[in-house]
Amino acid sequence: EAQVTQNPRYLITVTGKKLTVTCSQNMNHEYMSWYRQDPGLGLRQIYYSMNVEVTDKGDVPEGYKVSRKEKRNFPLILESPSPNQTSLYFCASSWGWGQGASGYTFGSGTRLTVV
Amino acid sequence: LAKTTQPISMDSYEGQEVNITCSHNNIATNDYITWYQQFPSQGPRFIIQGYKTKVTNEVASLFIPADRKSSTLSLPRVSLSDTAVYYCLVGPASAGGTSYGKLTFGQGTILTVHP
Repeated sequence: EAQVTQNPRYLITVTGKKLTVTCSQNMNHEYMSWYRQDPGLGLRQIYYSMNVEVTDKGDVPEGYKVSRKEKRNFPLILESPSPNQTSLYFCASSWGWGQGASGYTFGSGTRLTVV
Repeated sequence: LAKTTQPISMDSYEGQEVNITCSHNNIATNDYITWYQQFPSQGPRFIIQGYKTKVTNEVASLFIPADRKSSTLSLPRVSLSDTAVYYCLVGPASAGGTSYGKLTFGQGTILTVHP
């Protein structure tokens, strides 16, 4: 089944403890992206990647890092999480660059709480 | 980047046709218009994509006027299960342009379908 898999689904952590949220897609998509979703603010793009070793900042990159060493994986790294990074995170991928002919495929989300 | 404006919320009743309009006055030549549906705590799901005129699939129709500055998602005969948030996203669907990587969602429209 074509899908984007995020792990973990839920995570509670403490301020300052480094964490990684993994994202993997099995559709051979070039484009991958991370979004966070907060009440009243909609979906905001954190980082995106056009292909392996090519990444760039979205609208809210502060406090996050990403890497794209393999085409299928695009992990999101929080080096020193803070409570304002408590949010619902989504990974997405698409064929080609941008939205692709069938739009984005999104993962199921990771609900992160930083205390 | 094309900024989008949608109504914050809409109400409808089962069996009615629902039309949600999105304004995107500064849409670029290589931009496509894509609509997504999102249920609580799930990732957005692709509904339909178009470039101009009318596109129809098994779940919805998308109407785009000649100037492409707006688009209308039409959901025929909605049911309770269509209650969700609907997002319009404007951006490139293939290589081209200088900002094809950065894709910004608008606030979305909360559609509530009543019995």
